Amino acid sequence: GDSVTQMEGPVTLSEEAFLTINCTYTATGYPSLFWYVQYPGEGLQLLLKATKADDKGSNKGFEATYRKETTSFHLEKGSVQVSDSAVYFCALTRGAQKLVFGQGTRLTINP
Amino acid sequence: DTGVSQNPRHKITKRGQNVTFRCDPISEHNRLYWYRQTLGQGPEFLTYFQNEAQLEKSRLLSDRFSAERPKGSFSTLEIQRTEQGDSAMYLCASSPSGTGGETQYFGPGTRLLVL
Repeated sequence: GDSVTQMEGPVTLSEEAFLTINCTYTATGYPSLFWYVQYPGEGLQLLLKATKADDKGSNKGFEATYRKETTSFHLEKGSVQVSDSAVYFCALTRGAQKLVFGQGTRLTINP
Repeated sequence: DTGVSQNPRHKITKRGQNVTFRCDPISEHNRLYWYRQTLGQGPEFLTYFQNEAQLEKSRLLSDRFSAERPKGSFSTLEIQRTEQGDSAMYLCASSPSGTGGETQYFGPGTRLLVL
């Protein structure tokens, strides 16, 4: 079945550091790929998405590129802020059906 | 523009009791999804509806679980004879119809604790 694997957390960085959170997937066909974020005490929010190979999703300084050859969708940000502290989930969906999530990566940014 | 709402936000119950949760999706969204999230894990799919039709159910959805969306608007998720293993956050999401890649918008969740 479809699956998503994220890098193990937690991840702790200093403010203004470069961030990468790795995500790889296993799926037949051509899934759509998503990054969701969960801030403390809040619900899941879409951060960015890409629906076909080589697409780049971007939002709030975060970027991820859909790489079909490596089945990856790594999340990057050039300079993180304390307010980026949250849990980040990589996910996929095929067609219009269920999201399949990774286990999540907790990110803490220290001032 | 209101988002997805869920009620109650928290529920504490004793083992063996029945509980029911409600989800109100974004008004123009045809699709409605239920997920379950346990501590430190990503959400897991339970079931989804296209309008009032329940189109897929996960094997996680045992016979004690039932979901309805009677008029294609709000949905309810009922758990009968709750067990301690049912303790989790229950998430509802909705999305518009489409051919794929549509964003699912999540509600705040209902946190269930079974004592």
